[in-house]
Amino acid sequence: KQEVTQIPAALSVPEGENLVLNCSFTDSAIYNLQWFRQDPGKGLTSLLLIQSSQREQTSGRLNASLDKSSGRSTLYIAASQPGDSATYLCAVRPSGSARQLTFGSGTQLTVLP
Amino acid sequence: NAGVTQTPKFQVLKTGQSMTLQCAQDMNHEYMSWYRQDPGMGLRLIHYSVGAGITDQGEVPNGYNVSRSTTEDFPLRLLSAAPSQTSVYFCASSHGTSGGPTDTQYFGPGTRLTVL
Repeated sequence: KQEVTQIPAALSVPEGENLVLNCSFTDSAIYNLQWFRQDPGKGLTSLLLIQSSQREQTSGRLNASLDKSSGRSTLYIAASQPGDSATYLCAVRPSGSARQLTFGSGTQLTVLP
Repeated sequence: NAGVTQTPKFQVLKTGQSMTLQCAQDMNHEYMSWYRQDPGMGLRLIHYSVGAGITDQGEVPNGYNVSRSTTEDFPLRLLSAAPSQTSVYFCASSHGTSGGPTDTQYFGPGTRLTVL
């Protein structure tokens, strides 16, 4: 069974710092990995989707990488801002017949002004 | 586009009551799913549908029913509410599940359910 882990569970950084969020998964047979953002009391918003054949994806100040063989992904946030404060979740889509997303528990990020 | 909409936003039930959580999307997505989110446990899949008339169970289906009569709507029914079903429920949709960019999941704002 696929398991997705995100460490740390919470992270606090000063504004302007570059930071990396980690996601690891146990089964490398995946179609893609997705990163989401969740603000308190809100739904999830998709940030980036990396297909299994890709190594990274970029959107603005966000860069996500994927190392399928080692079962790891990172989300790099450049020049963090207080508005980046949220919970970040990763999810993997397995490539077997049961293609349901498996989510990590998330990393709660606080960017201090 | 309204995206994925869910109603109600909040609901309080007594043990044993039944209710239906509504979910609709206007993006013509084939794939829809229901998750529950509990503290420290991430999102867990309840039921999903790959198209109108086709549904299947996810990781935690007990106590819930779904149907998919149209592409747009995917209601979740709680048959006899229990305190263990107190949670935040999210509906999501995507164009496909084959791994490409159309696989991007869109989520609704959630329904916060309390069962007393």
